[in-house]
Amino acid sequence: EDQVTQSPEALRLQEGESSSLNCSYTVSGLRGLFWYRQDPGKGPEFLFTLYSAGEEKEKERLKATLTKKESFLHITAPKPEDSATYLCACSGSARQLTFGSGTQLTVLP
Amino acid sequence: NAGVTQTPKFRILKIGQSMTLQCTQDMNHNYMYWYRQDPGMGLKLIYYSVGAGITDKGEVPNGYNVSRSTTEDFPLRLELAAPSQTSVYFCASSSTGTGFNEQFFGPGTRLTVL
Repeated sequence: EDQVTQSPEALRLQEGESSSLNCSYTVSGLRGLFWYRQDPGKGPEFLFTLYSAGEEKEKERLKATLTKKESFLHITAPKPEDSATYLCACSGSARQLTFGSGTQLTVLP
Repeated sequence: NAGVTQTPKFRILKIGQSMTLQCTQDMNHNYMYWYRQDPGMGLKLIYYSVGAGITDKGEVPNGYNVSRSTTEDFPLRLELAAPSQTSVYFCASSSTGTGFNEQFFGPGTRLTVL
């Protein structure tokens, strides 16, 4: 059974204080690892897809990396508008997405 | 493009009532999905469809039904609502079902069953 675990559950940062979110996965035949951002009362918004170990992708202050067991979402010099819940999901041989429970990020001004 | 739209945004049902959650996408995607999201939990797949006329069960299908008569629409039917169905429901779509492509999500329907 595919499993995705995210840590920490919640993270509070001061504006400008860089940090990383973790996504550990156990998936049979990884096809893709996806990062989404979810604002309160809204649907998940796609950020990145990673396909193989060693791959990295960047978007503004966010950088996602992938190893054979986990992915990290690095947030550099975050701003209050980066506050959201960040979801990690994997697709494997079953071709369906398995989601983690998310990391709730709060960036204080 | 509006993307994926869902109606209603909020709904309160009494135990035993029925309702249909509507989902429409304008991206001409063949694949559509219904998820539920409970507090502190990841999204769970209820049903999915690979094209008009074809649907299949996901991880948590009990108490729900779906149909797919057109490419654009994928309604979710709740029969005999129960408190355990209180949740936020998201519809999503993707261009393929290979697992390599991202899914695009609607804004959600918050359902409370009392």
